[in-house]
Amino acid sequence: QSALTQARSVSGSPGQSVTISCTGTSSDVGGYNYVSWYQQYPGKAPQVVIYDVSQRPSGVPDRFSGSKSGNTASLTISGLQAEDEADYYCCSYGGSYNPYVFGTGTKVTVL
Amino acid sequence: EMQLVESGGGLVQPGGSLRLSCSASGFTFRTYAMSWVRQAPGKGLEYVSAISHNGDRTYYADSVKGRFTISRDNSKNTLYLQMSSLRTEDTAVYYCVGRPVAGTSRRLDPWGQGTLVTVSS
Repeated sequence: QSALTQARSVSGSPGQSVTISCTGTSSDVGGYNYVSWYQQYPGKAPQVVIYDVSQRPSGVPDRFSGSKSGNTASLTISGLQAEDEADYYCCSYGGSYNPYVFGTGTKVTVL
Repeated sequence: EMQLVESGGGLVQPGGSLRLSCSASGFTFRTYAMSWVRQAPGKGLEYVSAISHNGDRTYYADSVKGRFTISRDNSKNTLYLQMSSLRTEDTAVYYCVGRPVAGTSRRLDPWGQGTLVTVSS
């Protein structure tokens, strides 16, 4: 199963908004409302910031939001902060035979 | 606090074998489906293998099918990954990941801290 497509990097100044896109197919992103986003700092394990397209776990700031349209999902970070500089991976459920597929990852840089 | 702790990683020669373990605490392990996700150095995340909450169903990525075996012991709150015929491209940090079977969410949470497997001669 092919990885979902993400831009290699995005950047923004503190206080700005950045949006990361994640493009899949009708067999994964477009077929299920089960897209999640994971934040990963260097040398650390990933942690979920958005799940089931737009749900935010407790403890995750509300400046993180998610959406989906067709085969493309998006993560928006509003009011960018220095601590948001990290790698972000999307992930979609793909059914019983291919449970999960990850995106290629996007490095967010805070200028 | 929900916690997953992996162990068993290390240096192994190509063609060799290794068994990873993942010890769970702070949650009801038998109510979680479990997975292994790996990350090669400087690369992205790859979903490798999964097992249902009661062990009756498993999944393997094509890249490891026939070489890796996932299993669990709910009495010991432990997940395993038996890896054989290891290749240099299996070099990665291996993460143990849980997903609650209750409800409809498909979020992968919690994650362990990872254990490094290096396949090299």
